[in-house]
Amino acid sequence: AQTVTQSQPEMSVQEAETVTLSCTYDTSESDYYLFWYKQPPSRQMILVIRQEAYKQQNATENRFSVNFQKAAKSFSLKISDSQLGDAAMYFCAYRSAGNDMRFGAGTRLTVKP
Amino acid sequence: DGGITQSPKYLFRKEGQNVTLSCEQNLNHDAMYWYRQDPGQGLRLIYYSQIVNDFQKGDIAEGYSVSREKKESFPLTVTSAQKNPTAFYLCASSRNRVTSSYEQYFGPGTRLTVT
Repeated sequence: AQTVTQSQPEMSVQEAETVTLSCTYDTSESDYYLFWYKQPPSRQMILVIRQEAYKQQNATENRFSVNFQKAAKSFSLKISDSQLGDAAMYFCAYRSAGNDMRFGAGTRLTVKP
Repeated sequence: DGGITQSPKYLFRKEGQNVTLSCEQNLNHDAMYWYRQDPGQGLRLIYYSQIVNDFQKGDIAEGYSVSREKKESFPLTVTSAQKNPTAFYLCASSRNRVTSSYEQYFGPGTRLTVT
């Protein structure tokens, strides 16, 4: 079974600085997708970014980018120019065709003004 | 606006009572899902449905039941058999379950407290 591990229960960053959240996963599949979701205090899950495993190029969405290392099964999220509104729980998720989405336990990000 | 609605936002029940959580989507998605979220844990899959009148158990289905009579609706019943029902429940949908590229869209969640 696929597993997703987020080894940082909590992280903090100074406003305007950069922070990286870690995620590793275990799979024997070659075709899969990886996602980062954000859950702010409202608890609404919001998709931040996704990465196709067959693409070598790292996905980028404005201030959010990933470092996808397929051989190492690592999928970290980098948030640049952190803003107060970035404070939230961040969940890494994995999904392969025909299978359920698997979520990590989450990382709570605090942004200090 | 297209999206997923869950009601109510907060729900309180006495132990031993069944309770039904509502989930409606107008995204025309085929697949719908129910997750449970507990502190310090990621989301755990309770049930999913790929098409109307069909649903499958997820990792933690014991004590829960679902129905899918309409494409738009996927209600979850928390029965008295669920030993620890107090949790945050999230409903999600996606275009289909087979294609892994399709992300899941989530509702705002329902916080259930059983005393």
